[in-house]
Amino acid sequence: AQSVSQHNHHVILSEAASLELGCNYSYGGTVNLFWYVQYPGQHLQLLLKYFSGDPLVKGIKGFEAEFIKSKFSFNLRKPSVQWSDTAEYFCAAGNMLTFGGGTRLMVKP
Amino acid sequence: GAVVSQHPSWVICKSGTSVKIECRSLDFQATTMFWYRQFPKQSLMLMATSNEGSKATYEQGVEKDKFLINHASLTLSTLTVTSAHPEDSSFYICSARDPGETQYFGPGTRLLVL
Repeated sequence: AQSVSQHNHHVILSEAASLELGCNYSYGGTVNLFWYVQYPGQHLQLLLKYFSGDPLVKGIKGFEAEFIKSKFSFNLRKPSVQWSDTAEYFCAAGNMLTFGGGTRLMVKP
Repeated sequence: GAVVSQHPSWVICKSGTSVKIECRSLDFQATTMFWYRQFPKQSLMLMATSNEGSKATYEQGVEKDKFLINHASLTLSTLTVTSAHPEDSSFYICSARDPGETQYFGPGTRLLVL
């Protein structure tokens, strides 16, 4: 069975700090990988996705993620976070979207 | 990005009544829609996959007779919680998959059963 794990449940950073959120997956089929963000009181929004090709994927709002097949990982990164990045971030995989447990990011102004 | 709407955004009902939640893809056709449930401070759990013109596929542990899904058109799927009970209170979220295999999510429906 497929599974997605996010090891960081809560992350607290100061503005301008760099961000990396971990995501590991186990999936036997075609790897479609996604990062979604849920801002407080809002619905899930797609940040970026990877289906194939360049393993370094750039998304909206300055986020990027790198697919490393050998490590079964798809970590999310941002070089300099802002207070407005405070949200919950979900990694998901597969056509049916198996979700990780989510990571709550709080950015201190 | 693509837009998915849900209606209603929140509903309060008495125990034993049925509640229908609509999910619409506003600017694309979705042959497949999904229904999720999200408990407080937890991730989304897939309940069922709704395929246009055919029966929904339910995840293990989800009662198909309790959570009725109808996907009558390429832009509309409905979830009916039949004979709702307090334990059905939750946040229900739908998503629609576009032709490019990306899922877009609705804003969710908060259900409170008294």
